[in-house]
Amino acid sequence: DIQMTQSPSTLAASVGDGVTITCRASQSISNYVAWYQQKPGKAPKLLIYRASTLESGVPSRFSGSGSGTEFTLTISSLQPDDIATYYCQQYTIFWTFGQGTKVEIK
Amino acid sequence: EVQLVESGGGLIQPGGSVRLSCVASRFTVGNDYMSWVRQAPGKGLEWVSIIYVDGTIHYADSVRGRFTISRDNSKNTLYLQMNSLRAEDTAMYYCATTPGAHYFRYWGQGALVSVSS
Repeated sequence: DIQMTQSPSTLAASVGDGVTITCRASQSISNYVAWYQQKPGKAPKLLIYRASTLESGVPSRFSGSGSGTEFTLTISSLQPDDIATYYCQQYTIFWTFGQGTKVEIK
Repeated sequence: EVQLVESGGGLIQPGGSVRLSCVASRFTVGNDYMSWVRQAPGKGLEWVSIIYVDGTIHYADSVRGRFTISRDNSKNTLYLQMNSLRAEDTAMYYCATTPGAHYFRYWGQGALVSVSS
């Protein structure tokens, strides 16, 4: 099985700060990575797929990068609406998620 | 916009069974890959099962042999039959479209299954 390890588990930042979340795969997965945002009590929402392709309707302050085993999700300027838990997911061999990163406002 | 609505959850005794349904609107279930993903209370996301356009099916090791995914194209509905339920199956169960069997694009609101005596 391919394991996805996210870091950090929690982060606190101020409104307007840049935020970066990292996801490492246990083996090379090319660019078959997606990122999701989940707010409390809601279903996850697709943000990015194929490592860097922004889903339609997602604000441009979200971006993704990486290939192979290391991937990042960046929020260029944190907004109050971005408070959520973020998950990475690989789809090379079956489908597995990272454990999540909770983003809070400092 | 695509809408997915799950139903069928509830409180189930260990060893019991339940069937979840996921009705799609403005989307044809039989024309795309469809998955079930679950989330235990306070935990992360776990893929459960997928059905391909051609009918190929995969299951996570944790549910293989106990859960069955299916669809009824005439009702535009995806199902998850869950048998021999265990406490560790307690979770919110989401259906999701899975274009190309890759990522999960559209999600339902979830159906809560609680397994407890």
